[in-house]
Amino acid sequence: DTAVSQTPKYLVTQMGNDKSIKCEQNLGHDTMYWYKQDSKKFLKIMFSYNNKELIINETVPNRFSPKSPDKAHLNLHINSLELGDSAVYFCASSQAGNTIYFGEGSWLTVV
Amino acid sequence: KQEVTQIPAALSVPEGENLVLNCSFTDSAIYNLQWFRQDPGKGLTSLLLIQSSQREQTSGRLNASLDKSSGRSTLYIAASQPGDSATYLCAWLGSSGSARQLTFGSGTQLTVLP
Repeated sequence: DTAVSQTPKYLVTQMGNDKSIKCEQNLGHDTMYWYKQDSKKFLKIMFSYNNKELIINETVPNRFSPKSPDKAHLNLHINSLELGDSAVYFCASSQAGNTIYFGEGSWLTVV
Repeated sequence: KQEVTQIPAALSVPEGENLVLNCSFTDSAIYNLQWFRQDPGKGLTSLLLIQSSQREQTSGRLNASLDKSSGRSTLYIAASQPGDSATYLCAWLGSSGSARQLTFGSGTQLTVLP
């Protein structure tokens, strides 16, 4: 069973569209994250939720909105997509600062 | 602001060699340090986690060390194999504040030649 699963794995969409990426973890962790990996492979935190509450909200455009319906899910919705949003988005989870587990990534291409 | 630096950015070695990857961080208020592996087109796989109270961790041919005073961690890979080819990332987790977040280095791209 996949510990952290995110869908879709690949997404190609036009500028201006709205899209969502879903993430689920079956590890019973209390904290979930969204990371963005740019073309230079640098990973940067976007959001972090602990027990459904937002605890980290880095400087990202407000077109990005995370939603956590429960501890096991953290979805990322992106409005009015721009070319610069093209990247790989990783969902991850951890328990109390211990080992962090990553999903396989969602490759977003905005054309 | 915390900075995590990895040297070298890329490394190519013949099969069988022992090698060391370096990671340095500027903030010594560390909770733990993690090493990850990322294969092309894949997510990150956790390799080793060293708590701030530990000096090293070992898993198979991998050994990671942590020196808080100098702000450094190393990942030692013994008897490298072509299957070890991947990008290796270190990530620092701070000990202060409730909003802990991992800060990643930019990675070392390792190629092990058969």
